Parts: sequence; C-alpha cells; structure tokens
Amino acid sequence: DAKTTQPNSMESNEEEPVHLPCNHSTISGTDYIHWYRQLPSQGPEYVIHGLTSNVNNRMASLAIAEDRKSSTLILHRATLRDAAVYYCILKGSGSEKLVFGKGTKLTVNP
Amino acid sequence: DTAVSQTPKYLVTQMGNDKSIKCEQNLGHDTMYWYKQDSKKFLKIMFSYNNKELIINETVPNRFSPKSPDKAHLNLHINSLELGDSAVYFCASSEWEAADTQYFGPGTRLTVL
Repeated sequence: DAKTTQPNSMESNEEEPVHLPCNHSTISGTDYIHWYRQLPSQGPEYVIHGLTSNVNNRMASLAIAEDRKSSTLILHRATLRDAAVYYCILKGSGSEKLVFGKGTKLTVNP
Repeated sequence: DTAVSQTPKYLVTQMGNDKSIKCEQNLGHDTMYWYKQDSKKFLKIMFSYNNKELIINETVPNRFSPKSPDKAHLNLHINSLELGDSAVYFCASSEWEAADTQYFGPGTRLTVL
C-alpha cells in the first residue's frame, strides 16, 4: 500500500481556515486520495476524496497537486467541533482496504 | 437512526474468557468490516465480509472469528482473550466491496484484565 506522510499535529484558531497537508510521493495512477477524521471517542468519519481534480463538499475542500504527489485538505472555517485526528489515505481503485497512518491531530483554539 | 451500531460499548473481562461484539448496519450495504485501534491509536483492518462471505482476513489470530448471519450483521467472537487484545474495535460498512466511503460505528472498548 502506498504510504502517506502527514504532520503529527497542527493548531488553528476558531473561524480561521485550516490547511492540512499530506505527501504521497509513491502514489500510483489508480490511487484515490481519501480523507477521514476521527473525533475524540468516536469512529472515523469520511470527509472527502478525489483522484486528480480539486473537490469540494459541505465539509471541506481537497486540493490535489498537479503531479498528485501531495494534497491538502482545507477546512474553510474551523470550529471547535473540527478538532480531531485527520487521516490522509490512498485507496486503490477496486480496493476494499483503508490503510490508516498516524494522521494529523488538529487542535482548534477558541 | 444509527447507521452502524455496535454492542456493547464497553467490555471488561478476564484473560482466557470468550467474548463477542455485535455489529449491525441499517444502510442496506453489502460489505462490512472490523477494525482494531490499539493503545497507540493505530487503526488496522482485521476482516471484511461482502454479502456474508469473507473477503479480507489480515493475518488475525485464529482466536478471532467473525460471523455474518446476514449482510446487515457482522459479529466478532474472540476466544481465550489475551492482554494484548485490549483495544477499541470498530465495525464499518460500505455499499459494495470497493465503494468510496466506509461508515464506522462508535466502537467497542475491550479491556482484558
């Protein structure tokens, strides 16, 4: 499984945008970039995914580099409820597996 | 309505006992999973079932036996519990085997004394 690298932790202030980076230099052409998050004492929750083009949904935006070797999850206005561990995961097309790394622990300050 | 539910939420037991964790999904999904999150917070897939058939078994000890009575349920039975089995176990489901999104349950915290 291709590996991702994320910072261990990041901090943000409430109401400000947050950019969570992810490096995946060994990504293959059929790997999708998925983001999940895990709030304290809860199960992981799907956030967003994409292949090549930038993606937007109600939770976040995903910006994917042109060479696909990195991506950035963007929370446009962080709230206290966004404090969680964010996981960047590469998932092959046709694969059932999610392989979780260490993720980035996001702290949101009031 | 809870999409993916697990029971119990907490389970404390002695070494050597046998215990089960139940999982149910009301999403009409074909595929269900069990994940284990250890004390270091690493989350790893254990099993995956599609339409009641095993499709992933990630070198989990034989003491762990998943059972899927129907596609809405995937239970996890653990024999001869060991200290190292202490972890949080998450059930998940997806619409089909390689679907984009997996939906996770709230987790079962297992403590083996």
